Amino acid sequence: AQKVTQAQTEISVVEKEDVTLDCVYETRDTTYYLFWYKQPPSGELVFLIRRNSFDEQNEISGRYSWNFQKSTSSFNFTITASQVVDSAVYFCALSEIPSLAGSYQLTFGKGTKLSVIP
Amino acid sequence: NAGVTQTPKFRILKIGQSMTLQCTQDMNHNYMYWYRQDPGMGLKLIYYSVGAGITDKGEVPNGYNVSRSTTEDFPLRLELAAPSQTSVYFCASSYLPGTGTTNEKLFFGSGTQLSVL
Repeated sequence: AQKVTQAQTEISVVEKEDVTLDCVYETRDTTYYLFWYKQPPSGELVFLIRRNSFDEQNEISGRYSWNFQKSTSSFNFTITASQVVDSAVYFCALSEIPSLAGSYQLTFGKGTKLSVIP
Repeated sequence: NAGVTQTPKFRILKIGQSMTLQCTQDMNHNYMYWYRQDPGMGLKLIYYSVGAGITDKGEVPNGYNVSRSTTEDFPLRLELAAPSQTSVYFCASSYLPGTGTTNEKLFFGSGTQLSVL
């Protein structure tokens, strides 16, 4: 069975601080996808990134960066120079890589609520 | 730029009532999904569809039904509402997965907050 653990329930930082959100996963699959989603107070889910398990290269997108370490089953998310607009709940998720006839069945973590204080 | 549209945004039901949550997408996605999000929890998959006329159960399908008569629409039906179905429901869609393209991300609707009292 798949499992995603986000041990940090809530984090508060002061604006411009860096913050890292932790994600640890469990799966028996040798290949899989990892995702991060943002859920702002408005409620919708916003896709941030999808990472293939066979690609361990870290990724940076503006102030966002992701550190994927297969050896420790972790996929951590760092926001550099945080802003008030980053305040949201962030979800890490895991999926097996679907076949052409299959589809995503994401297993979500419980989320980390990030509050950025001005 | 509609994307995935869900209606209604909020609904209160009495125990035993029925209702249909509507979901439509205008991106010509084959794949559509229904998730529920309970307070303080991640999302759990209820049902999904890989194309018109094809649906399958997810992790928590009991108490729900779906249909997929068109590519655009994927309604979720609650026949006999129960308090345990109080949740926020999200519909999502995606392109054909497994193709190795970068477009394989899930597009989510804004959610329907349902309370069963």
